[in-house]
Amino acid sequence: DQQVKQNSPSLSVQEGRISILNCDYTNSMFDYFLWYKKYPAEGPTFLISISSIKDKNEDGRFTVFLNKSAKHLSLHIVPSQPGDSAVYFCAAVNRDDKIIFGKGTRLHILP
Amino acid sequence: DTGVSQNPRHKITKRGQNVTFRCDPISEHNRLYWYRQTLGQGPEFLTYFQNEAQLEKSRLLSDRFSAERPKGSFSTLEIQRTEQGDSAMYLCASSPGQTNHIYFGEGSWLTVV
Repeated sequence: DQQVKQNSPSLSVQEGRISILNCDYTNSMFDYFLWYKKYPAEGPTFLISISSIKDKNEDGRFTVFLNKSAKHLSLHIVPSQPGDSAVYFCAAVNRDDKIIFGKGTRLHILP
Repeated sequence: DTGVSQNPRHKITKRGQNVTFRCDPISEHNRLYWYRQTLGQGPEFLTYFQNEAQLEKSRLLSDRFSAERPKGSFSTLEIQRTEQGDSAMYLCASSPGQTNHIYFGEGSWLTVV
């Protein structure tokens, strides 16, 4: 049972435009949601998080939106830069601090 | 803060052999996680520890897999009688607990031939 779903395997965005990565979840009991970024042959690095009691969190070019009624979250990157090309993982944290990841979305920033 | 350290970074082994991976978490992080990642998939949860106590093991962790964290610091993940399906990147992560995210190491690549 896939509790965290990223339905878009890849996304291409023009440099300077907004990148929007989407994630859906099935369990209402998650406490936090996370976004990680991964380059090839490296471990994932933490980008931004959002508590389940919030609907928005912003950090520089990165903003995460949470829609609890739809069990949906999204990561907005604006403006997109070439270094943003990577795989992005959505993850959810339960009350026992167990973290479940989605399958990831590969983001390509086009020149 | 030297980050999460994993070794070996790469391991090629013949089917049926045993392999062991080691993870050194960030100092004083009491939570330690193991994940497995294959091509096109996200990190799949294997197990995690609170200090030396193993809190949960995934169904993915068959009897051939065992993880330990004997003194609540470093951890080992052993795979016995490796199979080709075990080929993957094994990721370790740690956190200080009561935090909303974890810090990953660079992973250990396993190739079973």
